[in-house]
Amino acid sequence: DAKTTQPPSMDCAEGRAANLPCNHSTISGNEYVYWYRQIHSQGPQYIIHGLKNNETNEMASLIITEDRKSSTLILPHATLRDTAVYYCIVCGSGNTGKLIFGQGTTLQVKP
Amino acid sequence: ETGVTQSPTHLIKTRGQQVTLRCSSQSGHNTVSWYQQALGQGPQFIFQYYREEENGRGNFPPRFSGLQFPNYSSELNVNALELDDSALYLCASSLIMWGGTNEQFFGPGTRLTVL
Repeated sequence: DAKTTQPPSMDCAEGRAANLPCNHSTISGNEYVYWYRQIHSQGPQYIIHGLKNNETNEMASLIITEDRKSSTLILPHATLRDTAVYYCIVCGSGNTGKLIFGQGTTLQVKP
Repeated sequence: ETGVTQSPTHLIKTRGQQVTLRCSSQSGHNTVSWYQQALGQGPQFIFQYYREEENGRGNFPPRFSGLQFPNYSSELNVNALELDDSALYLCASSLIMWGGTNEQFFGPGTRLTVL
């Protein structure tokens, strides 16, 4: 079973920030939080990951709470092409390649 | 840099047949993972290959098997196909370094339909 809980769906206006929450209250000390997204009929796309510090890259920002029990993925200026299913995944470091996907959050960006 | 590619894109088989799906890893990656994604569900981990050896397996029966070749390309074989095997099969490659993180990069998938 997935170790994360996400809302099933969210809407966001084009050009506004999209904030996608994720709960992972049972996360272990050596487990990272990964975010992937899947645009319809395509393979999942890696977005960002973090351990305990906030992270930012060209796609998004990841805010992890101090107790690491939840996180938020931020798309600063959502576009219509950001409409996708977003998956929050908790995964150990090193050789554990098993990504356990839950149901994810379907983000609908509206004009 | 070449991304992950999969072939074929679509495939139709009948129940009881066997199928082989292929994946070419992203350049420089040493690990391949396979996932099954049923309609409306998140991907489910089948297994992973690292340096040509199976390195972890999900809850799938032995009729799902795989290979990884020295050039890090991979095959997924499914014997005795069942109707429930109809799904999108995704291949993901990554560079595993002990103690490091491993972002996985997915191919576009193969859509398998079993009739």
